[in-house]
Amino acid sequence: DTAVSQSPKYLVTQMGNDKSIKCEQNLGHDTMYWYKQDSKKFLKIMFSYNNKELIINETVPNRFSPKSPDKAHLNLHINSLELGDSAVYFCASSQGQGRNTIYFGEGSWLTVV
Amino acid sequence: AQRVTQPEKLLSVFKGAPVELKCNYSYSGSPELFWYVQYSRQRLQLLLRHISRESIKGFTADLNKGETSFHLKKPFAQEEDSAMYYCALRVWGYQKVTFGTGTKLQVIP
Repeated sequence: DTAVSQSPKYLVTQMGNDKSIKCEQNLGHDTMYWYKQDSKKFLKIMFSYNNKELIINETVPNRFSPKSPDKAHLNLHINSLELGDSAVYFCASSQGQGRNTIYFGEGSWLTVV
Repeated sequence: AQRVTQPEKLLSVFKGAPVELKCNYSYSGSPELFWYVQYSRQRLQLLLRHISRESIKGFTADLNKGETSFHLKKPFAQEEDSAMYYCALRVWGYQKVTFGTGTKLQVIP
């Protein structure tokens, strides 16, 4: 069973479009994250939600809006896509705060043309 | 603020040679350190964490608080070790994990 699943895995879209990436975890975790991996393989946290509440928001443009309908889901909506948004977006989850392993999804490859 | 530095973007070694992937961190408190591995076009996977003091796939890493380092080592590299390796730091009690910029390990047959 897939622990953290994201969809779509690949997404090619034009500049200016609005798109969403979905994420679900079946681990019973209460904390979920979105990370962005750019073309240079730099990996940076974007958001973190704990029990559906936003905990971390790392200077991400407000075109990016995460939505957590419940603890098991954290979707990422992106408005007015720009070329620089092309990256791999990883969803992740963990249980609570402290010393618990973070589990990553397989990534969503977004290409903006 | 915490910071993780991986000075090497690419490390190429021959199969059977020793491997050391460098990681240095800056944080004034007691951090928790991890190594994550990402095989080609796959998800990041936890490789090991300093509190476990374990060896996974032949890799070990020791936290050196004096040198603020957490280097990843393996005595004999295998071709299947070729991947992207990320050092990461988490502050106790917080969810945020700060990643280094990653080192690509290339094992040459």
